[in-house]
Amino acid sequence: TQLLEQSPQFLSIQEGENLTVYCNSSSVFSSLQWYRQEPGEGPVLLVTVVTGGEVKKLKRLTFQFGDARKDSSLHITAAQPGDTGLYLCAGARGSNSGYALNFGKGTSLLVTP
Amino acid sequence: DSGVTQTPKHLITATGQRVTLRCSPRSGDLSVYWYQQSLDQGLQFLIQYYNGEERAKGNILERFSAQQFPDLHSELNLSSLELGDSALYFCASSVDRGGIYNSPLHFGNGTRLTVT
Repeated sequence: TQLLEQSPQFLSIQEGENLTVYCNSSSVFSSLQWYRQEPGEGPVLLVTVVTGGEVKKLKRLTFQFGDARKDSSLHITAAQPGDTGLYLCAGARGSNSGYALNFGKGTSLLVTP
Repeated sequence: DSGVTQTPKHLITATGQRVTLRCSPRSGDLSVYWYQQSLDQGLQFLIQYYNGEERAKGNILERFSAQQFPDLHSELNLSSLELGDSALYFCASSVDRGGIYNSPLHFGNGTRLTVT
């Protein structure tokens, strides 16, 4: 089972539309990170959210961390073709073998002109 | 440019073979992480090293092993390769040892492994 569930899996929209993608878990996280991955490249960090209920804005991107720190959302306003990519959420999870940053499977976003 | 260098970019090999993937972390970073990315499983954590020592372990197969050298570069060794090992393998680095509050990871551009 996936620790972090992301939805939707795929999203195809036209330039100028708004969208929201979700990252959900049954586990509580001390922090969540959002990354964007473009084809042929590695993921690049967008933001880290730490406090329950926190909202962070990065230009047209708005990130929210749930009050219970189990879920997060990413809202994009007036999407542009340059927003196309795979959006991944990640949270640190401890185990007997140490802490590791676990990723969701991602939301693949395509924005067409 | 993340500052993390992975070689080679592409690797094609046959089943049963052994390959070595190499990673040079960003200057100043002490932690190196290895991830495997496939379409069905997504980005799966394999293993982390911090300053030469194994720090955390994920779902890494026994056929796979890794190490971090004194100059902090790391190698991921994959042996007895199977068709299902075909995937993108990413290396990432971070400045600290990681934990509940993970520092951001800086990813390389990956090695695409194809096993035929």
